[in-house]
Amino acid sequence: AQSVAQPEDQVNVAEGNPLTVKCTYSVSGNPYLFWYVQYPNRGLQFLLKYITGDNLVKGSYGFEAEFNKSQTSFHLKKPSALVSDSALYFCAVRPGRYSSASKIIFGSGTRLSIRP
Amino acid sequence: SAVISQKPSRDICQRGTSLTIQCQVDSQVTMMFWYRQQPGQSLTLIATANQGSEATYESGFVIDKFPISRPNLTFSTLTVSNMSPEDSSIYLCSAEAGARADGELFFGEGSRLTVL
Repeated sequence: AQSVAQPEDQVNVAEGNPLTVKCTYSVSGNPYLFWYVQYPNRGLQFLLKYITGDNLVKGSYGFEAEFNKSQTSFHLKKPSALVSDSALYFCAVRPGRYSSASKIIFGSGTRLSIRP
Repeated sequence: SAVISQKPSRDICQRGTSLTIQCQVDSQVTMMFWYRQQPGQSLTLIATANQGSEATYESGFVIDKFPISRPNLTFSTLTVSNMSPEDSSIYLCSAEAGARADGELFFGEGSRLTVL
């Protein structure tokens, strides 16, 4: 079965330190990979995506993610965390360009907490 | 990106009543979706709102409980019928922005329903 795993329910980082939010997937073919962020009482906001090409993709708010096909991972990273980065982060996978958007699978979410 | 407006943003409802959530997109989109999100948890797809035809429901969701309308390419409604406290959740409208996007979904701000 196709799935997305975010192994950490919560990640705690001090402001200014680098952060990583982990995501692994199990999808056949060439998936599209996404990261979304959800601030309290808000909808999901698109951060970045990997479709093809360079394995390192850059997105909004200084975030980046690295696609690793051999490890089937798509970890979200930021070199220097801000308190304002504190939010709920979702990894999502779409099983290929021609799959229906209804097939997008969301991870369970990771709560990122940045302490001053 | 597409801008999606949802209303109401939140409501408190009595058991046994029904509530209709409206979703307006600022441009024509091919696919619109309705998700449910328990607080702090991941997203569960309720249905795909199809323009001009009946919605396509996911396993565990039925039309009698969650009737959906999609009268045109920019608007959809979700009704939560005969509500019970178990229906207390955040309901999110989303859309795939077609040619202006490359696989990602865009989301409304969500409608937080509390059923007493």
